[in-house]
Amino acid sequence: DGGITQSPKYLFRKEGQNVTLSCEQNLNHDAMYWYRQDPGQGLRLIYYSQIVNDFQKGDIAEGYSVSREKKESFPLTVTSAQKNPTAFYLCASRWGNTEAFFGQGTRLTVV
Amino acid sequence: KQEVTQIPAALSVPEGENLVLNCSFTDSAIYNLQWFRQDPGKGLTSLLLIQSSQREQTSGRLNASLDKSSGRSTLYIAASQPGDSATYLCAALTGANSKLTFGKGITLSVRP
Repeated sequence: DGGITQSPKYLFRKEGQNVTLSCEQNLNHDAMYWYRQDPGQGLRLIYYSQIVNDFQKGDIAEGYSVSREKKESFPLTVTSAQKNPTAFYLCASRWGNTEAFFGQGTRLTVV
Repeated sequence: KQEVTQIPAALSVPEGENLVLNCSFTDSAIYNLQWFRQDPGKGLTSLLLIQSSQREQTSGRLNASLDKSSGRSTLYIAASQPGDSATYLCAALTGANSKLTFGKGITLSVRP
């Protein structure tokens, strides 16, 4: 089955800890995106990548980091510098100017 | 900077009604506009994609239109059903870096 897989579905982070969210796609898409969703805020863009080894900051990149070493993978690290990380995180991918597809999301909670 | 607006934030209608969801965007130089559906706690499901050269797209009871000159898109849902209850989001693909910008969504409730 082709698609986008995000893992884990639920993640708990202690104060001061870095955590990494996984996003893998087997659609052969060039572009990949990370969004954060908070109640009433809609989707806000964290980082996006058009090609391997290249990525751009979105609107709320502070406290996050990404890498794009392989076309199919775009992991997001939530660092201890992100003071309010509790949110629903969504990954998407797209080829050219065609349809974007989303994963099922990771819900991150600070404990 | 592209801004996408969806008003109202929530809508409640009785079953069977035809309804229109609106989406507006500030930068008309878009590559495409996409409509999504999101159920609570889930990811986004793509409904319709309209390329910048197109005026509308249809899928079943759904019809989406695009007017680039006025910066507007509408999603028409015919004969609404309780199963249509969800949040509907629109997103515009814009710019040299192909940034995908979302509206905040419209939460639709269809009453039996």
